[in-house]
Parts: sequence; structure tokens; C-alpha cells
Amino acid sequence: GAVVSQHPSRVICKSGTSVKIECRSLDFQATTMFWYRQFPKQSLMLMATSNEGSKATYEQGVEKDKFLINHASLTLSTLTVTSAHPEDSSFYICSAKRFVAGTNEKLFFGSGTQLSVL
Amino acid sequence: SQQGEEDPQALSIQEGENATMNCSYKTSINNLQWYRQNSGRGLVHLILIRSNEREKHSGRLRVTLDTSKKSSSLLITASRAADTASYFCATDANSGYALNFGKGTSLLVTP
Repeated sequence: GAVVSQHPSRVICKSGTSVKIECRSLDFQATTMFWYRQFPKQSLMLMATSNEGSKATYEQGVEKDKFLINHASLTLSTLTVTSAHPEDSSFYICSAKRFVAGTNEKLFFGSGTQLSVL
Repeated sequence: SQQGEEDPQALSIQEGENATMNCSYKTSINNLQWYRQNSGRGLVHLILIRSNEREKHSGRLRVTLDTSKKSSSLLITASRAADTASYFCATDANSGYALNFGKGTSLLVTP
């Protein structure tokens, strides 16, 4: 089956540094990927929609200069948290859309990245 | 924006019992999906029910959908300790098939 790989699974960094998270579709091409953020014991909040070859679409309240998204190829989207601060500590999850014959498009999720900013 | 609302927020049962979780949403949908998440892990897709379907089964899972009430339920029969996880319903949004997730139900199944 389709697999989405997300890396790293866990990162601890100092305040002020930038962190890059990668999301790869391993056996299919994903023209659209989505980035979610999840705070402890809360639900997933959509941050942005990443489209291959074009600018990402950000949800209201998400700073695009803070969370840089690049979808340079059909199998890779990256989320860079710039100048991370402790309040950015969260669980970040990506998902990729794939057309499956005979059904609606199907979403596949990465395993998530736990970001801890000290 | 979050659309789905699950209840209960937390559910504790013993192995062998059935677990029922409910989800309500606010706008029209194309489909509704249920996902499972173990603590600190990614999401596992459980089941998808389309807006023109009323009930669907998959193994020990049974999902119902009532579009008139904008609600869905997930029933896990004969629960096992390994079913302990958070369960989320998700509905498709208007743009680009981004899912809107509910707040989730935290299920604890004790041996």
C-alpha cells in the first residue's frame, strides 16, 4: 500500500533555530500535501495545503513567513519552522493525497514529528 | 477550522465490552472518515463512509452516518486492550480535500 514517510520523528532544538520537516510519498506522486499541527490532547489543526510547483495555501492564523512550505517535487514537501520558539512545540503531521481508481481520493498520513523547542 | 465534535471526550471500558463514539459536524460533506491515533504517533485510517451511505462495517468496526442530523457513530465491538487509542472523525473540507478533524475521543480499554 501507499506509504508516506515523515522525517524526523522527533526533534529538540534551541529557541531561535529553524527546523525542517520532510514529508515524502514513497510509492506514488502527490500533487497535494497537507500539513497539520496537533497540541497535546487536542485535535489536528490544518495549517496549510502544499501544492507541487506553486505556493502553499495557509489557513487563517497561520503565519506563512513562520512556517515555510516547499513542494518542489511530486514526492516531497517540506515544512520549515523558522526561528522556533517554545510555543511552536507541537506534533506536526503531514498527509498526501492520492487518486485511487474507483474511489474518492485517499489521504495517507505520515507518522508525525514531535517538535520540542527549549 | 474544526468541524467535527466527538463525544464522549474520554471513554473507559473493560475488554470485551463495546465502545461507541459519536461525532457531529456542521456543514455538508462528501464523506466522513474515522481515524485512530496511538499516543504520539501518526494517524491510521479506519473506515470511510460516503454521504449516500447509512452504515458500513469493517471487522469489529461499525460506522453509521445520519446526514439529516449531521452525525456519525463508531462502534467497536468486543474491545481489546490494543484498541486503546484516540479516535477522530474527519470530514472533507471545501478546498482540495483537506480533512477537518474533530476533537477526538480517548478510549481506554482495560484488561
